[in-house]
Amino acid sequence: QSALTQPPSASGSPGQSVTLSCTGTSSDVGNYNFVSWYQQHPGKAPKLMISEVSKRPSGVPDRFSGSKSGNTASLTVSGLQAEDEADYYCSSYAGSNMVLFGGGTKLTVL
Amino acid sequence: EVQLVESGGGLVKPGGSLTLSCAASGLTFSSYSMNWVRQAPGKGLEWVSSISSTGRYIYYADSVKGRFSISRDNAKNSLFLQMNSLRAEDTAVYYCTRDFVLSFAFDPWGQGTLVTVSS
Repeated sequence: QSALTQPPSASGSPGQSVTLSCTGTSSDVGNYNFVSWYQQHPGKAPKLMISEVSKRPSGVPDRFSGSKSGNTASLTVSGLQAEDEADYYCSSYAGSNMVLFGGGTKLTVL
Repeated sequence: EVQLVESGGGLVKPGGSLTLSCAASGLTFSSYSMNWVRQAPGKGLEWVSSISSTGRYIYYADSVKGRFSISRDNAKNSLFLQMNSLRAEDTAVYYCTRDFVLSFAFDPWGQGTLVTVSS
């Protein structure tokens, strides 16, 4: 199975909102509500930001929100802050106890 | 605080073997499924393998099936990844990570251990 598709880059100014997309197929994103999003700063381990499409783990700011429509999931970061600059990866359950990741989006805060 | 600490990475020749370990603390290790996820230099994340809390159920990505073996020792709060027939494309940082609330999400993650396959 192929990786999920994410745009390689996105950007926004401080205080603005930006939405990152993650496109899969009817066999993964479109078929299960098990889409997750991870934030990764350079040289650091990934951090879970969203699970099950839209659930925020404890400690994740409510500026981060997730949604899904059909085969495409989205992560919206509102009120952009400098510390939000990072790589963001989506993942989805793909059946048969397999998880697929996207290629990642580098978010730049201008 | 949950801590996952990987070890065992290093430089290995193509065709060689290596075993990674992950020491867990701050959690009831035997209650959780665990996973290995890797990241090639400058690339994205790739799920590698999962093991259920008891070790009964094990799953692998197609890219490592037949070459890698995941295991765990609940008495020692430890997770392992035995890697055989290593290839250049297995070069990556390998992360140990815990299942998050049965949601096919992973949290937390260890700091990772680098495996380099090169002659």
